[in-house]
This record gives sequence, structure tokens and C-alpha cells, in this order.
Amino acid sequence: DVKVTQSSRYLVKRTGEKVFLECVQDMDHENMFWYRQDPGLGLRLIYFSYDVKMKEKGDIPEGYSVSREKKERFSLILESASTNQTSMYLCASSSDGQGLSYEQYFGPGTRLTVT
Amino acid sequence: QQQVKQSPQSLIVQKGGIPIINCAYENTAFDYFPWYQQFPGKGPALLIAIRPDVSEKKEGRFTISFNKSAKQFSLHIMDSQPGDSATYFCAASTYSSASKIIFGSGTRLSIRP
Repeated sequence: DVKVTQSSRYLVKRTGEKVFLECVQDMDHENMFWYRQDPGLGLRLIYFSYDVKMKEKGDIPEGYSVSREKKERFSLILESASTNQTSMYLCASSSDGQGLSYEQYFGPGTRLTVT
Repeated sequence: QQQVKQSPQSLIVQKGGIPIINCAYENTAFDYFPWYQQFPGKGPALLIAIRPDVSEKKEGRFTISFNKSAKQFSLHIMDSQPGDSATYFCAASTYSSASKIIFGSGTRLSIRP
């Protein structure tokens, strides 16, 4: 079974802090994603990566950056956390068009609160 | 700009009823339409998916109906059970952007015993 793990389930940070969210997948997937989930807004893509050291902006990249130094690991960085970044953050991975199913496998999420 | 519109936002159904969740899309290039199911405290997981060359797909009690001309698709859950209570997301993607899936806003479904 594909497993996507996220470093923390719950995180509380102060405004202005630098925050690192880590994600690791164990299925050698090429693609990795970071989403934030807010009630009524669904899943919004922040950044995704289709290869090591490659990244593309999603729909809401402002205030975030990412790093992918190894294939299995994708990090989301909040350079200076703000209260409007309080949210659930979900990491996902997918294989590159295998069977054209495009299925994404999600981690359990990190609930981040910025005070 | 929301490319996949989902309704309703929340839905309460009695056990045994048939909840229906509807989605509409704008981009005619979409060629893959999955539904994801998310239980509290968990990440979403693929439930069922359809391609536009078929009008219906069934997997167990879950059915996707697809109307290409109307650019709409829906999820029906037959004989719904309290264990089906979850948040459901419809989604869409294109072959040219195979990895990138556009999600709807989600429907919180509650099945009452």
C-alpha cells in the first residue's frame, strides 16, 4: 500500500515564525503536491513537484515556498507565518500517468494554527 | 476561478436513502473525473472515477452518472449507511496536465441511523 506520511498532525505557531511541514512517500512517485483545505473552499493546490528540484506554483502559492531535494520528500515552508495561514495542510503523491488513472494518495494532514 | 462547481455543501440523509452530489465543469478538455472520500482525521482517498466515453459507472453501492453535453456529473450512493458519512470531493483533470487535479469544494454527508 502507498503510504504518505506528514511530520506533524497538529502544529501551533506564532505569527512571524518560519514553519516547515514535511511530507514523505514510500512508493517512488514522481509527483508530489501540497494542498490546503478550508471549509467551503475544498482542496486548493499550493505547489506541486513533478521531479526532484522541480516545482510549479499552484493556485495559491503566495506566502509559501517548497523544497524537493529527494524524490520521496517534499517540504512546504511558510517563511513568515500569518493568522490567515491557519488551515489543514494535505500532502499527496501520484505516479506519472500509470494507467492514466492520475490517482493521488494523500497523507493524514497537518492542522496548523497560527496565533 | 472555480473550474469544478460542487453542490450541495452539506447533506443529511436517513439510512437507506440515496444521497446525490452534483458537480459541473467548464473546461471541455477534462477527460478524467474522480470522486474522493474523506473521513474525519484522514486524508482524502480515491473512491471511484469515470471517463467521458461512458455515461455511468458503478462500484458497489456507488454510482457516477456523467452527462457530457451538459458538462455535469454526479455521485449516487445506494442504500446509504452511517459508515458512508464523510466529506466527498468531485474532481477533474486533463491528459495534458495528467498530474494536476482540480477539486470541487466538497460535500459533507451525514447518514442518520
